[in-house]
Amino acid sequence: DVKVTQSSRYLVKRTGEKVFLECVQDMDHENMFWYRQDPGLGLRLIYFSYDVKMKEKGDIPEGYSVSREKKERFSLILESASTNQTSMYLCASISDERNTIYFGEGSWLTVV
Amino acid sequence: AQKITQTQPGMFVQEKEAVTLDCTYDTSDPSYGLFWYKQPSSGEMIFLIYQGSYDQQNATEGRYSLNFQKARKSANLVISASQLGDSAMYFCAMREGPRNFNKFYFGSGTKLNVKP
Repeated sequence: DVKVTQSSRYLVKRTGEKVFLECVQDMDHENMFWYRQDPGLGLRLIYFSYDVKMKEKGDIPEGYSVSREKKERFSLILESASTNQTSMYLCASISDERNTIYFGEGSWLTVV
Repeated sequence: AQKITQTQPGMFVQEKEAVTLDCTYDTSDPSYGLFWYKQPSSGEMIFLIYQGSYDQQNATEGRYSLNFQKARKSANLVISASQLGDSAMYFCAMREGPRNFNKFYFGSGTKLNVKP
């Protein structure tokens, strides 16, 4: 089974802190994603990466950056956390064969 | 315009009854894929079912079936014989184009509550 693992399930950070959200997948997928989920808004794409060191902005990249130094690892970075970044963050990777997207368990971030 | 519309924020269904969750989509791309995901309160997203735009038959996976009406651009999820464990958020999603990995759109979700 495909496994997408997010290192932190629950985080509480202060405004202005730098925050790292880590994601690892074990199926050699080339494409990985970071989404943000908010009530009533569904999932919104922040960034995605189609190869090592390659990244593209999604629909809401402002305030975020990403890093993909190794194929299996895709990190989301909040350079200076703000309260409006309090949300659930979902990492995902995609399988060409099954034509579907696999998600991690999610990271609940609260910025106070 | 919204790419994926789920008009039912919340629904109740009696255990063992069937339930239909609505989803409409908007695309001009002839090649697309439609997906349903389940998200329990624990947060993980569980893939349920997939329908390709060129598939002739409606997709089925166990108790899940996808009622695909291409002309109406609808892709409703039908859950037969509901179980208490089906209580969760359900998301409809669409991927546009054969390999547009950044073109994966999600609806706002439907919260399903199964009553004993």
